[in-house]
Amino acid sequence: RKEVEQDPGPFNVPEGATVAFNCTYSNSASQSFFWYRQDCRKEPKLLMSVYSSGNEDGRFTAQLNRASQYISLLIRDSKLSDSATYLCAVNGGGGSYIPTFGRGTSLIVHP
Amino acid sequence: DVKVTQSSRYLVKRTGEKVFLECVQDMDHENMFWYRQDPGLGLRLIYFSYDVKMKEKGDIPEGYSVSREKKERFSLILESASTNQTSMYLCASSPPGQGYEQYFGPGTRLTVT
Repeated sequence: RKEVEQDPGPFNVPEGATVAFNCTYSNSASQSFFWYRQDCRKEPKLLMSVYSSGNEDGRFTAQLNRASQYISLLIRDSKLSDSATYLCAVNGGGGSYIPTFGRGTSLIVHP
Repeated sequence: DVKVTQSSRYLVKRTGEKVFLECVQDMDHENMFWYRQDPGLGLRLIYFSYDVKMKEKGDIPEGYSVSREKKERFSLILESASTNQTSMYLCASSPPGQGYEQYFGPGTRLTVT
């Protein structure tokens, strides 16, 4: 059973579209949540942390739903440069700081 | 700005060779990690270290060992490389505790022939 699950996609959207990804996790004791962006043949880089109250950074909004055990990432007004793979990561649970990563969701934004 | 560097971007080795992958971070982070990333399988944790000379097995430690003699350096060793170890290897570091994100190096694409 996978601990952190993501729809691999690809999500194929036109420029300007709004797109949302979800990431479900199985460990209810998880404490910290993150979204990373990974460009082709590059390393993952932190996009944003996910706070209990939800948080927004420009066109990006992240939310946490503890009751249903998922986090979400919403991208508004998609740009061509948003094309990448988006990885979610879930830390903690039982005192562990070792993150568990999802396998990523591929986003392709086309003109 | 955190910087994590890896010794090689691309490496080609022969089956049976001993391979050393080096990772250095400059932010005095306690935690360091080695992952491999394969298409369709995502990031898989090989080993991690939470302090100098301390190491813990991750999900797929077989065929690998690690060394952490200094805080800033974490080495991954393939004792006898095999073709199924052809992969992208990513090193990461993070501060102590569970609330922190990881910082990744640029990766080493290893091909074992």
